[in-house]
Amino acid sequence: DQQVKQNSPSLSVQEGRISILNCDYTNSMFDYFLWYKKYPAEGPTFLISISSIKDKNEDGRFTVFLNKSAKHLSLHIVPSQPGDSAVYFCAASGRGSNYKLTFGKGTLLTVNP
Amino acid sequence: DAEITQSPRHKITETGRQVTLACHQTWNHNNMFWYRQDLGHGLRLIHYSYGVQDTNKGEVSDGYSVSRSNTEDLPLTLESAASSQTSVYFCASSERPGQETQYFGPGTRLLVL
Repeated sequence: DQQVKQNSPSLSVQEGRISILNCDYTNSMFDYFLWYKKYPAEGPTFLISISSIKDKNEDGRFTVFLNKSAKHLSLHIVPSQPGDSAVYFCAASGRGSNYKLTFGKGTLLTVNP
Repeated sequence: DAEITQSPRHKITETGRQVTLACHQTWNHNNMFWYRQDLGHGLRLIHYSYGVQDTNKGEVSDGYSVSRSNTEDLPLTLESAASSQTSVYFCASSERPGQETQYFGPGTRLLVL
């Protein structure tokens, strides 16, 4: 049973516009959420995280929103740039997981010039 | 600069052979993890370690083993390689208990013929 779901395998956006990547989770024990970015032939790199005590965390062009009641989080990238084109993974951990991360399947973002 | 490295970056082997993938980190992190990435599955945890002499099974551990004899290294061994183990393998580490953010190596692409 998939505990972290990224239902959109791909997303295409114009440069300068907003990119919104979505993630849903089913495990109510999750209380820490992360987004990773992955370019081809490289390892995932940490992008931004949010604790369940917050509903928003911002870092430059990247903002993550958390809706605990809906078990939903989203990553907003504004403005999108061609260099943002990559696979984005949502991950979660929490009480009882002993610091292990559960990953979604990823969303391929393509930002068109 | 501290880093996490993996070797080899690419490996071709035959079914039934034993293969060892190396992971070395200079962050002095206690926690180390091995994942595999496959199309349609995202990142799945194979094995992990919270310190020297500690090893634990992840969700897809069958056919794999690890050992932790020092802080810096967590080699992953495929006991008898199978075609189903063709994948991209990532090693990751995190700093301390309670620090969920993991830092990934560049990956090893393994082909089992």
